Amino acid sequence: EPEVTQTPSHQVTQMGQEVILRCVPISNHLYFYWYRQILGQKVEFLVSFYNNEISEKSEIFDDQFSVERPDGSNFTLKIRSTKLEDSAMYFCASRAEGLAGEGLSEFFGPGTRLTVL
Amino acid sequence: AQSVAQPEDQVNVAEGNPLTVKCTYSVSGNPYLFWYVQYPNRGLQFLLKYITGDNLVKGSYGFEAEFNKSQTSFHLKKPSALVSDSALYFCAVRTARGSSASKIIFGSGTRLSIRP
Repeated sequence: EPEVTQTPSHQVTQMGQEVILRCVPISNHLYFYWYRQILGQKVEFLVSFYNNEISEKSEIFDDQFSVERPDGSNFTLKIRSTKLEDSAMYFCASRAEGLAGEGLSEFFGPGTRLTVL
Repeated sequence: AQSVAQPEDQVNVAEGNPLTVKCTYSVSGNPYLFWYVQYPNRGLQFLLKYITGDNLVKGSYGFEAEFNKSQTSFHLKKPSALVSDSALYFCAVRTARGSSASKIIFGSGTRLSIRP
């Protein structure tokens, strides 16, 4: 069964450093998302990406965040200057496009745990 | 604005008993509703969804959910709980964005604990 993969599984960084979280969505999917979950809390939407551009972003997704699909397979989330409060589990998700459209469910990756010291 | 609420932070059930995890929603138009499960240190796994049709939808691992339009609810149920069902459960609703990449928004989660 196809799956979304994410690397690394755990990233530890110093405050102020840049991090790049990587995701490989399912190959025929067209919609891509990043969500985050602060330990044990709600899963929060960060950004959606479709047709090589951001479709929607949340208030959390400020100028320190960016996304890119550099080569048609990877989907990355960059945080330019990490803050302590960026420590969370970051989930990538993808969704197909089809007749069922928005009735289809997202497939989530296993997550990257980001720890900012 | 669309939203989804899970009124219980924790649900405790004895193994073999039926379980219910509650969810209510607020959306404009017809809702697309989902349940996801998260096991410890794992990602989110899709359980089931309601798009249209039968109000009772069946999903993975013996779970089912009942869509109730008048009560704007989508409670998750299972007739006989297993200890292995212990996990964090999230109800979710898709925001209506037409053909663009409409997002899912999640409830706050309910921790289900099944005691032997």
